[in-house]
Amino acid sequence: GESVGLHLPTLSVQEGDNSIINCAYSNSASDYFIWYKQESGKGPQFIIDIRSNMDKRQGQRVTVLLNKTVKHLSLQIAATQPGDSAVYFCAENIMDTGRRALTFGSGTRLQVQP
Amino acid sequence: EPEVTQTPSHQVTQMGQEVILRCVPISNHLYFYWYRQILGQKVEFLVSFYNNEISEKSEIFDDQFSVERPDGSNFTLKIRSTKLEDSAMYFCASSEPNEQFFGPGTRLTVL
Repeated sequence: GESVGLHLPTLSVQEGDNSIINCAYSNSASDYFIWYKQESGKGPQFIIDIRSNMDKRQGQRVTVLLNKTVKHLSLQIAATQPGDSAVYFCAENIMDTGRRALTFGSGTRLQVQP
Repeated sequence: EPEVTQTPSHQVTQMGQEVILRCVPISNHLYFYWYRQILGQKVEFLVSFYNNEISEKSEIFDDQFSVERPDGSNFTLKIRSTKLEDSAMYFCASSEPNEQFFGPGTRLTVL
C-alpha cells in the first residue's frame, strides 16, 4: 500500500504537537466524507467520517471539520505521536444517490519528529 | 478485530496473462469493492458489488475485468489479459453498508 508519490505535500510536526491536515474536495454534491490513514505497505485504514449535515465530529484524539461553503475538510490530530506518521487521504461520496464509490484525494504525508 | 484479507500479497505476471486476485471481506458485511492505486497516484475506485451483482463500476473497469463471489466468503477480481498499465496495488474493501474497511492490498506487477 505505498503512496510514495514524489509530489505528496508533507506536514512535519514534533511529537506532542497538534497536527492539522487539510483537504479540498471536488464535488459540491458530496454528502459523506472520510479520512483514511495509509502506512507503508498497508491498505487505507478508516479514521473518522462525517456527513454533510454536520460541521464537526470528534473521535479519539481526532477531529474532523467540514466547511461546505468552501468545500474544505480538515483532520486535526491532538498530541501527535510517532505512530501517526503515515499518508492521510480524504475521500468523498454522494450517499444520497445510493452510490458507494469513494473518490480519494491525493494525500498528505505526515512526518512526526520524536 | 475482524479485518479484510487479501491474497496473494504480491503477484508477478507476464503481459497478456490472466490473474485472479482474492479477497475475504469482513463476514457480516454486505457490500464489496475493488480499488487500485498506481504507484505515486491516488486510490481509484474500480467496482462495487452487492447482492451478487455489480452495483457500480468506473471507467477503468472495462471488459478485461470481472468480479465474482464464488462462495459465501471469497470475493475475486479477475483481469483477463493483463497490460503493463495494470501494474498497481489492488485493494479490496467491504462495508456494512457505510464505513468501508480496506484490506492490505495485492501488489500486481505486469512484465
